[in-house]
Amino acid sequence: AQSVTQLGSHVSVSEGALVLLRCNYSSSVPPYLFWYVQYPNQGLQLLLKYTSAATLVKGINGFEAEFKKSETSFHLTKPSAHMSDAAEYFCAASNDYKLSFGAGTTVTVRA
Amino acid sequence: EPEVTQTPSHQVTQMGQEVILRCVPISNHLYFYWYRQILGQKVEFLVSFYNNEISEKSEIFDDQFSVERPDGSNFTLKIRSTKLEDSAMYFCASTTVTGELFFGEGSRLTVL
Repeated sequence: AQSVTQLGSHVSVSEGALVLLRCNYSSSVPPYLFWYVQYPNQGLQLLLKYTSAATLVKGINGFEAEFKKSETSFHLTKPSAHMSDAAEYFCAASNDYKLSFGAGTTVTVRA
Repeated sequence: EPEVTQTPSHQVTQMGQEVILRCVPISNHLYFYWYRQILGQKVEFLVSFYNNEISEKSEIFDDQFSVERPDGSNFTLKIRSTKLEDSAMYFCASTTVTGELFFGEGSRLTVL
């Protein structure tokens, strides 16, 4: 079964600083990979997805992620954090139409 | 833009009561899912549904749970006799063949 590991349950960054959220997946066959964001008391919103096309994927709100097969990683980055980026971020992997989520990383942004 | 809709947004029930959570997936989607998120924890897979039958279920999805697609548009999750530990946010999702799941806003279930 697919498993997804997110390193760091909580990340705190200063406004304007780089945001880096780490995600690794376990699969010999690269799955589809996704990052979802969840704002307080809201549902899951897709930030971006990797579906075996370009390895660098650009998403909404200035986020991007790079698929590295050799490292089985799909880390999420944003060059400059904004206060509105404070949320929970989930990495997810899909094989055979089943999505497995990582444990999530809470991002707080300091003014 | 088409979206997955869920009702109710919040339901409070007494332990032992039956609860039905409803979802309307995106109309041309073929695969349907229920996920659960207990407060402060990760999103957990419950069940997937394809071609009018369950295609996969997790160990969380025991005999107290059932799913149904009664009329070709709604997709429901029933919890027969709720327990305190069933309190969670329940997310419905649907997809076509791309593997990208589209999620609803969730239904928050509180069991007292």
